[in-house]
Amino acid sequence: DGGITQSPKYLFRKEGQNVTLSCEQNLNHDAMYWYRQDPGQGLRLIYYSQIVNDFQKGDIAEGYSVSREKKESFPLTVTSAQKNPTAFYLCASSIIGTSNYGYTFGSGTRLTVV
Amino acid sequence: GEDVEQSLFLSVREGDSSVINCTYTDSSSTYLYWYKQEPGAGLQLLTYIFSNMDMKQDQRLTVLLNKKDKHLSLRIADTQTGDSAIYFCAEMAGSNTGKLIFGQGTTLQVKP
Repeated sequence: DGGITQSPKYLFRKEGQNVTLSCEQNLNHDAMYWYRQDPGQGLRLIYYSQIVNDFQKGDIAEGYSVSREKKESFPLTVTSAQKNPTAFYLCASSIIGTSNYGYTFGSGTRLTVV
Repeated sequence: GEDVEQSLFLSVREGDSSVINCTYTDSSSTYLYWYKQEPGAGLQLLTYIFSNMDMKQDQRLTVLLNKKDKHLSLRIADTQTGDSAIYFCAEMAGSNTGKLIFGQGTTLQVKP
């Protein structure tokens, strides 16, 4: 079955640590996206990538970094520079040029600072 | 810039119809979408409508699009407790850029 997998489901971070959230898709989608979700604020775009080895900042990129070395993978690193990282993080992928399918989402990673 | 607005909360009784409303600003949007999010899960695409359509029906779901007023609605007939979730409206930014702009989400509470 094709899909998009995020891991881990729950992640705990100590103050000052960097952590990396994994996102893998086997849908052969060109584009991948990272969103942050906070209660009552909807989804805010962190980074997106439309092609391997290229990515763009979204609306709230500060304190985050990404890489796109393979088409299937788009890991997100939450750095110690991100002052309020506790949130639900969602990864998504899409085909470019065929808009009717929208995005396919992973099941999310809940990050908590301890 | 692009913006999508939704009311935050809707409560209905089981068996009633639910109507969730959304307004958007980008008149060049080609597709508009409705997603459903159950607690602790990712978003699931419910339905979409192309901008040259006024209405789309899919079983219990009816999507209405008023392009003049930039207003989109999702009607759920015979609402069930399993429909309790957050519903997100989204538009495709610009002309086929691939970027979706999401509303804040409407929490639908279905009372038995």
